[in-house]
Amino acid sequence: DSGVTQTPKHLITATGQRVTLRCSPRSGDLSVYWYQQSLDQGLQFLIHYYNGEERAKGNILERFSAQQFPDLHSELNLSSLELGDSALYFCASMGTTAGELFFGEGSRLTVL
Amino acid sequence: GQQVMQIPQYQHVQEGEDFTTYCNSSTTLSNIQWYKQRPGGHPVFLIQLVKSGEVKKQKRLTFQFGEAKKNSSLHITATQTTDVGTYFCAGPRTGNTGKLIFGQGTTLQVKP
Repeated sequence: DSGVTQTPKHLITATGQRVTLRCSPRSGDLSVYWYQQSLDQGLQFLIHYYNGEERAKGNILERFSAQQFPDLHSELNLSSLELGDSALYFCASMGTTAGELFFGEGSRLTVL
Repeated sequence: GQQVMQIPQYQHVQEGEDFTTYCNSSTTLSNIQWYKQRPGGHPVFLIQLVKSGEVKKQKRLTFQFGEAKKNSSLHITATQTTDVGTYFCAGPRTGNTGKLIFGQGTTLQVKP
């Protein structure tokens, strides 16, 4: 158990719909990272928040947005969903020892 | 842009054989991290290397960081079925604190 909590674990929806993925970082961690992992693909960085502020953006689509709330949990909003958005979405928080990432178990999104 | 590349993409070995995956960065890295993702699981941090030429061991796993700090390798001696999974290397993005760029990963299959 990494201490990072993600919900929901699985989500099936239709094209054109909007979903929200939620993440709570490890207790004491201020950062949240979102990664997308498509089938047989590596981990594509989407966005990074630190203590409520956006710190870095990767190849995140305009249809996607995220925020980090005062209690440090984060939400990733995916709208106008397309088939190609089907993927595993991981949230991670960063440890202080080696700057390592602690990943949640992921949210598997299936767009039909 | 900055890239982290891994080879091979897939490797099938007989249990007891050795395995090596190689990681190459397009830029000099301040450090490199390795993660393991079991099938159906989430990435789990294995180790971080910081110094040029550094070698670290974890039981049957040996990690090396190149002298130029642009490449790294992970060697597993006498593989076991428990070693099955995808191994990722990751390096920090130049000038962007906190963002990790992941390689595409090497998926290891071990035949008993």
